[in-house]
Amino acid sequence: NAGVTQTPKFQVLKTGQSMTLQCAQDMNHEYMSWYRQDPGMGLRLIHYSVGAGITDQGEVPNGYNVSRSTTEDFPLRLLSAAPSQTSVYFCASSYSIGMVGELFFGEGSRLTVL
Amino acid sequence: GESVGLHLPTLSVQEGDNSIINCAYSNSASDYFIWYKQESGKGPQFIIDIRSNMDKRQGQRVTVLLNKTVKHLSLQIAATQPGDSAVYFCAEKDPHSGGGADGLTFGKGTHLIIQP
Repeated sequence: NAGVTQTPKFQVLKTGQSMTLQCAQDMNHEYMSWYRQDPGMGLRLIHYSVGAGITDQGEVPNGYNVSRSTTEDFPLRLLSAAPSQTSVYFCASSYSIGMVGELFFGEGSRLTVL
Repeated sequence: GESVGLHLPTLSVQEGDNSIINCAYSNSASDYFIWYKQESGKGPQFIIDIRSNMDKRQGQRVTVLLNKTVKHLSLQIAATQPGDSAVYFCAEKDPHSGGGADGLTFGKGTHLIIQP
């Protein structure tokens, strides 16, 4: 049972570098999303997708891009990394946006931007 | 926007005792509430949910209570075990998406520590 798989688990970037956080789920879930988790704050939604070919912005989308070419994959791209993007990133999925509370989360990707 | 908060950042309980983790919410429009468990170094895990037309829901060793009058949510864990050590946080869903595109607003979390 793979569930939601995120890679890499850890990454260190220099300011201005770009990278992609990978996310894949094998549960045939329609809804996928990316959150960031910062100390002292609740999870914040970056981008989400309700199905292949459909993406939209969440609460904190600036500096990030996403695409959803297949049901399984939902990569998150950092265009030009900034220290403010140092965080733990979680990809999540659910059967549909109507069941968004029953989210399945990946193990997280810890990103440090120097 | 309104936010979900927690009364205590850390809760320490003896193994075998019952644990009660509290959550206050301020958005009266929220109609769905969820509790998640997050173990160290792992992603959050769905525990239990409750809709606003209910005031209690039970799962395996867990019970969620909802008091809409005072906008309070609690998670009760019976006979706490070492494996229950984690951060627990609540989330609320605003059907009008007041808390983000998926309507979810997450609390900051309470760290539950189990003492032997």
